[in-house]
Amino acid sequence: DQQVKQNSPSLSVQEGRISILNCDYTNSMFDYFLWYKKYPAEGPTFLISISSIKDKNEDGRFTVFLNKSAKHLSLHIVPSQPGDSAVYFCAASAMDNDMRFGAGTRLTVKP
Amino acid sequence: DAGVIQSPRHEVTEMGQEVTLRCKPISGHNSLFWYRQTMMRGLELLIYFNNNVPIDDSGMPEDRFSAKMPNASFSTLKIQPSEPRDSAVYFCASSLVGQAFNQPQHFGDGTRLSIL
Repeated sequence: DQQVKQNSPSLSVQEGRISILNCDYTNSMFDYFLWYKKYPAEGPTFLISISSIKDKNEDGRFTVFLNKSAKHLSLHIVPSQPGDSAVYFCAASAMDNDMRFGAGTRLTVKP
Repeated sequence: DAGVIQSPRHEVTEMGQEVTLRCKPISGHNSLFWYRQTMMRGLELLIYFNNNVPIDDSGMPEDRFSAKMPNASFSTLKIQPSEPRDSAVYFCASSLVGQAFNQPQHFGDGTRLSIL
């Protein structure tokens, strides 16, 4: 039962352009959402998060958007850089419950 | 600052052998999580501990898997007997969890397990 879904296994963008990674969830009780970034042979590292009381959170080149009615969130990276090439995991949690991760999207930023 | 430390980084063993994965969480963190990453299912939560007590082990695949946290600074994930389908990367993560799970988890670099 995949409560958090990342339907695009991979994404390729040109350096300098915008990268948009998408995530859908099914559990309406989720109230906290995160994005993690993972390089090969390393563990995922926390990138950015958003609480369900917000619809946007921005941190430098990274912005996360939350659409609660559609149960959808997205991560925008602009401008994309080659160093952003990694696997991005979407995660969600609910009060008194553990965190669920999506399957990940591999982003490749071409120079 | 020392992050989450996992050992070994790589483990190759034959089917039927016992495998023990180890994790040292970040000092001061009160929750510890074990995940398995596969191509098909991404990151799956196996079990998590809060204050050294197992809270939810519903993600543990079967009785061949067991996890312990004897103290706040150490946890093990054991597979006995191991099978080829257990081959995956296993991650340990820790966080400081209050009433809600709205804190980022800090991951170790994982153990790549190959069962032949």
